Amino acid sequence: AQKITQTQPGMFVQEKEAVTLDCTYDTSDPSYGLFWYKQPSSGEMIFLIYQGSYDQQNATEGRYSLNFQKARKSANLVISASQLGDSAMYFCAMRESTGANNLFFGTGTRLTVIP
Amino acid sequence: GAVVSQHPSRVICKSGTSVKIECRSLDFQATTMFWYRQFPKQSLMLMATSNEGSKATYEQGVEKDKFLINHASLTLSTLTVTSAHPEDSSFYICSAVAGTATNEKLFFGSGTQLSVL
Repeated sequence: AQKITQTQPGMFVQEKEAVTLDCTYDTSDPSYGLFWYKQPSSGEMIFLIYQGSYDQQNATEGRYSLNFQKARKSANLVISASQLGDSAMYFCAMRESTGANNLFFGTGTRLTVIP
Repeated sequence: GAVVSQHPSRVICKSGTSVKIECRSLDFQATTMFWYRQFPKQSLMLMATSNEGSKATYEQGVEKDKFLINHASLTLSTLTVTSAHPEDSSFYICSAVAGTATNEKLFFGSGTQLSVL
């Protein structure tokens, strides 16, 4: 079974509007971390936001916020006030507390911001 | 924030040659680094976990004799693609763990695009 599922291959959003990128995960580990990364066309992976499984509040980092619904095992990324520079691939990832520290990645969502 | 430097960013080589890719943590020590491979328009796939001072742990299906990993210091891990072939052409990216045990984050290098002719 896929540990991370991103069901939106591509998304479009109007500049200055908000957009939600979906992510669901599957784990039986009670302790885990959820991450979102941005990958522009240059290829680098840029860390955006982190949510721990025991965190009481949803994580926020500037224009990025994470809508964490633990019971539904979802960790959607919300980008507010979209900018043209937000156009990129976005990957959701999870790290479980057991085993190695590696991340399990989703297949990504390509976001295009329309001027 | 933490910085991970990866070199080279792009390499073109002839089939049969070996290519070394370096991954350095510039402002923190990383006992663990990871090497990923990414095919066009696909997600990142973990190849191996590199541990300082010990042998790397390879994921199933990854040939350890072909993808040699050395983690000789707390700030440097290298991936050597030995006897490269066109099917090894891909985007390789490393990452390193930074932060405290309660809030560890992975920071990535900028990646290496390998093209084998």
